[in-house]
Amino acid sequence: QKEVEQDPGPLSVPEGAIVSLNCTYSNSAFQYFMWYRQYSRKGPELLMYTYSSGNKEDGRFTAQVDKSSKYISLFIRDSQPSDSATYLCAMIRYSSASKIIFGSGTRLSIRP
Amino acid sequence: NAGVTQTPKFQVLKTGQSMTLQCAQDMNHEYMSWYRQDPGMGLRLIHYSVGAGITDQGEVPNGYNVSRSTTEDFPLRLLSAAPSQTSVYFCASSLAESTGELFFGEGSRLTVL
Repeated sequence: QKEVEQDPGPLSVPEGAIVSLNCTYSNSAFQYFMWYRQYSRKGPELLMYTYSSGNKEDGRFTAQVDKSSKYISLFIRDSQPSDSATYLCAMIRYSSASKIIFGSGTRLSIRP
Repeated sequence: NAGVTQTPKFQVLKTGQSMTLQCAQDMNHEYMSWYRQDPGMGLRLIHYSVGAGITDQGEVPNGYNVSRSTTEDFPLRLLSAAPSQTSVYFCASSLAESTGELFFGEGSRLTVL
């Protein structure tokens, strides 16, 4: 069993819809949670970084962590075609870059 | 500000050949790393370095060598290429190992025939 599970998609939604992307994990020691966005044929870029449980909002993006369920989510409001990308969740037990565990990514397509 | 620069972007090798993927960053980052990305597998750490002269193995180090003689450069060497090393390789850097914010290059697509 992988430590981090992520539905690969693809997920296709119309422009303006609310998108929900999710990851589950098995290691209850994870404390730092991240979402990376990866455009086609590009490297990933950090989108959101949260510590422990709760919500974090940044513009149209909200990251949510539910440690009791070992479940994290990324919500995108008013989705735009420019949001079409692969979204990777990532997490670590303590703040150490060499210990980051990545999900396999969900491919998202926003239809104009 | 170039960030993380990887070369080459594409490479085709024959089994048994060796080559070096180059990675350079201009952000004065102490931490640098190499990942490979395969369908359904996510990003897997190959090797990493916490500073010049210091390297360590990641999750999938076999068949790869690294060195870190300067803060800026972190080349990845394939010693004897195998078809299983066909992948997209990403170099990533961070201000320090203690942060989780990685800055990635654009990737190097390698095919081994």
